[in-house]
Amino acid sequence: DAGVTQSPTHLIKTRGQQVTLRCSPKSGHDTVSWYQQALGQGPQFIFQYYEEEERQRGNFPDRFSGHQFPNYSSELNVNALLLGDSALYLCASSYDRINYGYTFGSGTRLTVV
Amino acid sequence: GIQVEQSPPDLILQEGANSTLRCNFSDSVNNLQWFHQNPWGQLINLFYIPSGTKQNGRLSATTVATERYSLLYISSSQTTDSGVYFCAVGQGGSEKLVFGKGTKLTVNP
Repeated sequence: DAGVTQSPTHLIKTRGQQVTLRCSPKSGHDTVSWYQQALGQGPQFIFQYYEEEERQRGNFPDRFSGHQFPNYSSELNVNALLLGDSALYLCASSYDRINYGYTFGSGTRLTVV
Repeated sequence: GIQVEQSPPDLILQEGANSTLRCNFSDSVNNLQWFHQNPWGQLINLFYIPSGTKQNGRLSATTVATERYSLLYISSSQTTDSGVYFCAVGQGGSEKLVFGKGTKLTVNP
């Protein structure tokens, strides 16, 4: 049973460019959340998708957008990249977070130069 | 918003020692998870424990929701236990997890 899978694992982009990160949730999970983790910090919530709609959003600018597909997979898009966007981006999925919590992927490490 | 504080921030142990990590939170929660982040960045779910006590091998956790804290116990530590341990909480009506700053554990052989 595959867990949460993310791609790519590493990425280097130039300031001003756009990037798309991908996430496939754990089998049976229908909800996907995205988190940003800066070096030495705990993850910060970006947004969550359920039934192809953004259900909740954290304190991130509109440059961060997302999408969920009918198969529950998800993409995170970041436009106009800044040096400060360099971080580990984590995807988490759940089926019933009230009773089972969230499962995280291994993340995509984004470096903006 | 809810505040999550973890202590200690750093912990160095000799292999075989026991340890207790603490997580305090400032408001009521309906989700609490302990994670171990390995050197490759993956957050490995150790426990989903909004209340009560659970055990899994050498690890156990207790959450006292009424007093707003949770404890993670690691017994007979091994070098592979090294890494950062995060406590994360969620509240009713909110889908996000709020993480503490983590406890960095180093287990020396």
